[in-house]
Amino acid sequence: DQQVKQNSPSLSVQEGRISILNCDYTNSMFDYFLWYKKYPAEGPTFLISISSIKDKNEDGRFTVFLNKSAKHLSLHIVPSQPGDSAVYFCAASPTSGSRLTFGEGTQLTVNP
Amino acid sequence: ETGVTQTPRHLVMGMTNKKSLKCEQHLGHNAMYWYKQSAKKPLELMFVYNFKEQTENNSVPSRFSPECPNSSHLFLHLHTLQPEDSALYLCASSQKTSGNYNEQFFGPGTRLTVL
Repeated sequence: DQQVKQNSPSLSVQEGRISILNCDYTNSMFDYFLWYKKYPAEGPTFLISISSIKDKNEDGRFTVFLNKSAKHLSLHIVPSQPGDSAVYFCAASPTSGSRLTFGEGTQLTVNP
Repeated sequence: ETGVTQTPRHLVMGMTNKKSLKCEQHLGHNAMYWYKQSAKKPLELMFVYNFKEQTENNSVPSRFSPECPNSSHLFLHLHTLQPEDSALYLCASSQKTSGNYNEQFFGPGTRLTVL
């Protein structure tokens, strides 16, 4: 049973527009959420995180929104740039735990 | 070297071979992890080490044997693997503090092919 799901395997966006990547989770024990970005031949790199005591966290062009009642989070990238083209992974954890549970990833392509 | 490094980057081995994957973190972290990423699947946690002690084994078959001689180095010893073990093996590290979670930093991975 997959506890973190990213239902869109791919997303294509025009440069300058907004990219919205979605993630759903089922485990109510999760209260810390992260987004990672992965380029080919590299390991995932941490992008942004959010604790369940917040519903929004912003860092430059990247904003993560958390809807606890819907068990849903999303990553907004605006404006999107061609260099943002990568696979984006959503991950979740109980606050005090080490275990990260990952989604399957969404391949984002930003077209010039 | 900075961050988390992994060697080798690519490995091809037969089912009867014995090989080892190496991970080194240069971040002063106290926790290290092995993950497996198979094609079109999420990253799967394999092992967790905190302060050199194994704290989690996610039901990994015994043909995978981890070793953590110190908080900067992590190995994954491989023997009698199966073709379905072919995957990207990722190492990560983090600074684990009481009651708080900190993000994990990943190495580039070892692409393993078992023939």
